[in-house]
Amino acid sequence: DTGVSQDPRHKITKRGQNVTFRCDPISEHNRLYWYRQTLGQGPEFLTYFQNEAQLEKSRLLSDRFSAERPKGSFSTLEIQRTEQGDSAMYLCASSFRVAEETQYFGPGTRLLVL
Amino acid sequence: QQQVKQSPQSLIVQKGGISIINCAYENTAFDYFPWYQQFPGKGPALLIAIRPDVSEKKEGRFTISFNKSAKQFSLHIMDSQPGDSATYFCAASINTDKLIFGTGTRLQVFP
Repeated sequence: DTGVSQDPRHKITKRGQNVTFRCDPISEHNRLYWYRQTLGQGPEFLTYFQNEAQLEKSRLLSDRFSAERPKGSFSTLEIQRTEQGDSAMYLCASSFRVAEETQYFGPGTRLLVL
Repeated sequence: QQQVKQSPQSLIVQKGGISIINCAYENTAFDYFPWYQQFPGKGPALLIAIRPDVSEKKEGRFTISFNKSAKQFSLHIMDSQPGDSATYFCAASINTDKLIFGTGTRLQVFP
């Protein structure tokens, strides 16, 4: 197991376009988190799943954002009608809720909206 | 009340010196306090974590000091090395739920 993976690593898009990011958690990790990190800031929580259930969404997550985790495995984060303010690093993390509390982060997807 | 305040914003330390980063919180419901290390272009990686039932935890050169009454905790890096140059984030959570991160401290260790 090589850890949390995210795809793509970089994405450049034009304002108004839709983008989708994928996260593959560490196998058997039942919790999956999405965070957003802007330059010079700490990661900010967006949403998280326990298995396939989306348990919490931040107020940062506008209606243009949607996340899914079908079958409790990988997750996708879609941003519709992107805006320049969406430019950020999108980080995914996973944890095994029962056994340990550590959240393991992926390398992130850096989004640039032109 | 959900914020975690971190200082300093940046820190320059000579090789072999001690690096100290401080964090403060307001929400007394927080019960898990991890420190993450992040290198440019990488995701954060857990360095060390503490629960409020202990006042100090040490792992190698890294020590967390925790002051429950003051609602403060700090990271000490002993014998700082150039390879420690990175951005460090404190965080807090309730019941190991979503993490609330501080704003980060950029550490530079010069030889």
